[in-house]
Amino acid sequence: EVQVVESGGGLVQPGGSLRLSCAASGFTFNNYWMSWVRQAPGKGLEWVASIKEDGREENYVDSVKGRCTISRDNAENSLYLQMNNLRVEDTAVYYCVKGGGRFDPWGQGTLVTVSS
Amino acid sequence: EIVLTQSPATLSLSPGERATLSCRASQSVSSYLAWYQQKPGQAPRLLIYDASTRATGIPARFSGSGSGTDFTLTISSLEPEDFAVYYCQHRLNWPRTFGQGTKLEIK
Repeated sequence: EVQVVESGGGLVQPGGSLRLSCAASGFTFNNYWMSWVRQAPGKGLEWVASIKEDGREENYVDSVKGRCTISRDNAENSLYLQMNNLRVEDTAVYYCVKGGGRFDPWGQGTLVTVSS
Repeated sequence: EIVLTQSPATLSLSPGERATLSCRASQSVSSYLAWYQQKPGQAPRLLIYDASTRATGIPARFSGSGSGTDFTLTISSLEPEDFAVYYCQHRLNWPRTFGQGTKLEIK
């Protein structure tokens, strides 16, 4: 079964940092782009970042450029999102998704709350 | 950035009826459009990709059509489990963007 499982969310103060992780299984991880998509409470979906199979290309939504870094460890079948200088507006459920164009499947999400 | 506009915002129908959801792009996305379903408290699920291809395990009552700037998701006969929020999303270029969603509710 193809599966992705996120972890690492939590409560952080504005300006703080957090590192999200995603463990992938059931598919050949290093053959696929991987992405993060977020959803603020009661709002719609927003693509955050994607990384190529070999890690040599990254793309970000403008609102996180310079503050977030997506990375992967193909030996560990893991995806990461390092988030720095967090803002209140970054509060959301963050989903790990397989793919860079069409997103399938999605993890259950991990909640990041940025609040003082 | 490509803006995707979904209509209507809310659609009220009864089980057994036909649902037609629309997604319009601010510029052509060719056929690079996907549809997702999200139920309360759950992660989204891919329904349709490349405008008209059903994802694995998706029932045949779901169909997608369109190309360029105008796309449609049709549910031929609504089942109780189909009442949810539906999003469209393009993959033509970066940034990937989603529509704001259509809530399909029971009438």
